[in-house]
Amino acid sequence: EAGVVQSPRYKIIEKKQPVAFWCNPISGHNTLYWYLQNLGQGPELLIRYENEEAVDDSQLPKDRFSAERLKGVDSTLKIQPAELGDSAVYLCASSFSDEGPLNNEQFFGPGTRLTVL
Amino acid sequence: KQEVTQIPAALSVPEGENLVLNCSFTDSAIYNLQWFRQDPGKGLTSLLLIQSSQREQTSGRLNASLDKSSGRSTLYIAASQPGDSATYLCASADAGNMLTFGGGTRLMVKP
Repeated sequence: EAGVVQSPRYKIIEKKQPVAFWCNPISGHNTLYWYLQNLGQGPELLIRYENEEAVDDSQLPKDRFSAERLKGVDSTLKIQPAELGDSAVYLCASSFSDEGPLNNEQFFGPGTRLTVL
Repeated sequence: KQEVTQIPAALSVPEGENLVLNCSFTDSAIYNLQWFRQDPGKGLTSLLLIQSSQREQTSGRLNASLDKSSGRSTLYIAASQPGDSATYLCASADAGNMLTFGGGTRLMVKP
């Protein structure tokens, strides 16, 4: 069974340029997460989707970041314009959430390493 | 707001040693706690998940314990091997399955 797929794996851009990351979750997983991981730190949640709906985007810098999850499957995270401080690894994760006890393990993709010059 | 801390930040041990990684959290109202492994340049691999009602979980040479009342979890690695070298992250999950991560422990096992 394929895991969480992310592309591209690496991206180098100049500041003020736009950039987009793509994520394909594990088949059947209804919940999708985007995390930001700075060097030497743990991941921090940016946004969480339940199917097509963004249910937690409080940590997403909405002035430059946007995300969408059309049809409740794939998701795209966009930054426009990118700043030097956006250099980090962007991780996507997915899980299957039901109405039972919340023991929903999250599975992570390999991440996209963004470098802004 | 939940805060998760991992000590030590880095650890270097000779091969064969048993070792313990520590994780502490400030809010005991967690639903589960997960331990992850992250290799350089790679994503996170889930190692163990402990439900809030459980005290420990075991997988091979790994054993994770959870003490909600004291806000602590430990990951025990028996008979460490060079292939265990990686960063180990713990994360607590809240009612919405939102994970709060610690900063990780960078482990190096020397042959």
